[in-house]
Amino acid sequence: SQQGEEDPQALSIQEGENATMNCSYKTSINNLQWYRQNSGRGLVHLILIRSNEREKHSGRLRVTLDTSKKSSSLLITASRAADTASYFCATDAGGGADGLTFGKGTHLIIQP
Amino acid sequence: DAGITQSPRHKVTETGTPVTLRCHQTENHRYMYWYRQDPGHGLRLIHYSYGVKDTDKGEVSDGYSVSRSKTEDFLLTLESATSSQTSVYFCAISGGVVGGPRFYNEQFFGPGTRLTVL
Repeated sequence: SQQGEEDPQALSIQEGENATMNCSYKTSINNLQWYRQNSGRGLVHLILIRSNEREKHSGRLRVTLDTSKKSSSLLITASRAADTASYFCATDAGGGADGLTFGKGTHLIIQP
Repeated sequence: DAGITQSPRHKVTETGTPVTLRCHQTENHRYMYWYRQDPGHGLRLIHYSYGVKDTDKGEVSDGYSVSRSKTEDFLLTLESATSSQTSVYFCAISGGVVGGPRFYNEQFFGPGTRLTVL
């Protein structure tokens, strides 16, 4: 069963706007990660936030984690056409070696 | 994903035939994983490996077997392919370099293998 569920499933915005995606999960986690997948390619790691962290930044990315609500959000600021991709949250509940549990993803389209 | 290759990249086969997919890494990472990606399901874990000859089942392991005889290679075998196994298969690595400190962080993904079972 899926641990993470992203919302919305699809998002279309204008270049320069901010994009926000949400992820909800069901069980306790060690960390939560966000990945990007361009069409026809493998996944690329974006950012990891540990269960004892509430917010993390990396360049134009901002991730929040609310363990009480079992939810996370990914904000991409000043979006660019190159940000068009699918974005997945993934949770690690088993200590790191057991593999990740992925959500179904949010497909983001940045319109020029 | 320069340090992770998957072969073949595309394969079409018929129901009932055996299929083996190969994942090769040059990064010397401890852990290796096989996922499948299907529309509406995201990525689901098939099998994973803690080290040479040390593997375990994931969420959707039925119909699949794996082997890891060397650190760098992780093979996924479909003993008798079925149409439900039509999917895109991704290999991933993590855990840090063998012999070094363990890192429980991000996974690095290969480019994927698109398998069609007719």
